[in-house]
Amino acid sequence: SYELTQPPSVSVSPGQTASITCSGDELEYKYASWYQQKPGQSPVLVIYQDTKRPSGIPERFSGSNSGNTATLTISGTQAIDEADYYCQAWDSSTYVFGSGTKVTVL
Amino acid sequence: QITLKESGPTLVKPTQTLTLTCTFSGFSLSTSGVGVGWIRQPPGKALEWLALIYWDDDKRYSPSLKSRLTITKDTSKNQVVLIMTNMDPVDTATYFCAQSLTTIKALDVWGQGTTVTVSS
Repeated sequence: SYELTQPPSVSVSPGQTASITCSGDELEYKYASWYQQKPGQSPVLVIYQDTKRPSGIPERFSGSNSGNTATLTISGTQAIDEADYYCQAWDSSTYVFGSGTKVTVL
Repeated sequence: QITLKESGPTLVKPTQTLTLTCTFSGFSLSTSGVGVGWIRQPPGKALEWLALIYWDDDKRYSPSLKSRLTITKDTSKNQVVLIMTNMDPVDTATYFCAQSLTTIKALDVWGQGTTVTVSS
């Protein structure tokens, strides 16, 4: 079955840029999405189809996807961005989630 | 406004069958391109996709759990039901349902989740 790999944790200083990677075989063909989940809350879609932001998601969230790696970038990271982030691929009309990355804003 | 809400037992015994219901509003499961998926999250662990049902009744399952899962829909009631057989303590998790759109290939609106504990 298809697998996605993420780093367990990423630390970033307020105002700096955080980059979270997601690796999977030929991921560039699988429409990567990203979800933000804060403690005790449901996940929120922040990026879909590699680069698109849903309505209401701040512009500081952006995505890219090339080869085997998708990347979520948070520019000008704020304290409120501290959360777990999950990548997701669309594979054979099913969903696959990554292992999740905890973003800590120091 | 689109909303989804999960309901079902909070506690089940090992070997029992779990039945969860997702009741939604703000969209129709008879609309082309629309689906409802189930996802779970064990305490402190990652999200795991379980199953998905589409507007045309096409059904997809996680390969690792396929033998234990059944997903159905009742379009008139705006409900999707997930049945998981032979429950085990490792199935203890928060179970979410979410709207799936084939146009964006993502789960764009999630329910609040329901916690299920498997224990004797």
